Amino acid sequence: GQNIDQPTEMTATEGAIVQINCTYQTSGFNGLFWYQQHAGEAPTFLSYNVLDGLEEKGRFSSFLSRSDSYGYLLLQELQMKDSASYFCAVHTGGFKTIFGAGTRLFVKA
Amino acid sequence: SAVISQKPSRDICQRGTSLTIQCQVDSQVTMMFWYRQQPGQSLTLIATANQGSEATYESGFVIDKFPISRPNLTFSTLTVSNMSPEDSSIYLCSVSTGGVGETQYFGPGTRLLVL
Repeated sequence: GQNIDQPTEMTATEGAIVQINCTYQTSGFNGLFWYQQHAGEAPTFLSYNVLDGLEEKGRFSSFLSRSDSYGYLLLQELQMKDSASYFCAVHTGGFKTIFGAGTRLFVKA
Repeated sequence: SAVISQKPSRDICQRGTSLTIQCQVDSQVTMMFWYRQQPGQSLTLIATANQGSEATYESGFVIDKFPISRPNLTFSTLTVSNMSPEDSSIYLCSVSTGGVGETQYFGPGTRLLVL
């Protein structure tokens, strides 16, 4: 079967660092996506990892270990506007993407 | 990326009726998809809308309940037929231009409430 695990909720303080972990067991794997979704809005693309290692994009970084079927999204210098749901998603190939259940991140002052 | 619009943005419908949701993209795209998302939940793929042929449905979704059209490379419709309260959800159109990872871009969604 297909399974993607990520924490349901996380809370962090403004200015801090938070790491959202994701583990997956899927029938195929081409790469790992991260999407952000603010309440009442559409999901937006954050990152896509194909190779092992860390990719940095400003305050957001994403990591992948294919051998461990594991990845994470790292958010630094947290801001209130980062409060949102973050979805880990596996690109299994052939335009097929499977989404995890999402992690609700609450950033408090 | 692509700019995607959906109509209607929200609707309240009576059980037993049908609603057609439209998705318009500002450029030609390779793939169009329809998702369903319960508030606070993940995204569930309903089907892939194929241009010029029948849509490809995921397990648990059937054409009679969710007929889909895709007459060209920029437009698609999803109909939710014979609605029941269990169909209350957010319906999202998504497109991929076939770029890196075949990244998907999402429309703003249609919030449907069935009474």
